[in-house]
Amino acid sequence: ETGVTQTPRHLVMGMTNKKSLKCEQHLGHNAMYWYKQSAKKPLELMFVYNFKEQTENNSVPSRFSPECPNSSHLFLHLHTLQPEDSALYLCASSQFRDNVLTFGAGSRLTVL
Amino acid sequence: KNEVEQSPQNLTAQEGEFITINCSYSVGISALHWLQQHPGGGIVSLFMLSSGKKKHGRLIATINIQEKHSSLHITASHPRDSAVYICAVLRPGGADGLTFGKGTHLIIQP
Repeated sequence: ETGVTQTPRHLVMGMTNKKSLKCEQHLGHNAMYWYKQSAKKPLELMFVYNFKEQTENNSVPSRFSPECPNSSHLFLHLHTLQPEDSALYLCASSQFRDNVLTFGAGSRLTVL
Repeated sequence: KNEVEQSPQNLTAQEGEFITINCSYSVGISALHWLQQHPGGGIVSLFMLSSGKKKHGRLIATINIQEKHSSLHITASHPRDSAVYICAVLRPGGADGLTFGKGTHLIIQP
């Protein structure tokens, strides 16, 4: 257990479903991140939140909608996804500008 | 071409062998990370370095800033070292995100 908890660990959804991924950290970190990991590709940064403010949105399609209600919780809301969105979605946290990330175990998403 | 290239992509070795994984990058950086990802997905940070060499147990990481190259070494490898090892670089001023390599898939056979 790294201190960053992601739920669910596995999710299968149809293209018309709406679901959410959740990330929680109690490390006292003030920055949280969503990364996407697809097969055979490097990790891709999706969103960064610093003190609940979104500081980076890496050209992610609007069918992915992040939410950061406080510095301990981060959500990724999913709506009308495509099969190519199937991937491992990793949450991470850090002290902003510390650059040492603590990752969660990931949520494996399959879109049918 | 990816800004961070790792080699080899896949490596299978016998228990006890000395392992070297290489990382080359094409941009200026302020730091380089080595990460370990076990089956199931979780990623653990192994090292962050900006110069020289760091050692932790059987793991050694080195970096040559002039040559834009880093290596991760594993001494006396063990099956539990089997994982994907990922190199990632941080650009100067790029406080928000790392640029990742594709990873090296290491299997240590008993």
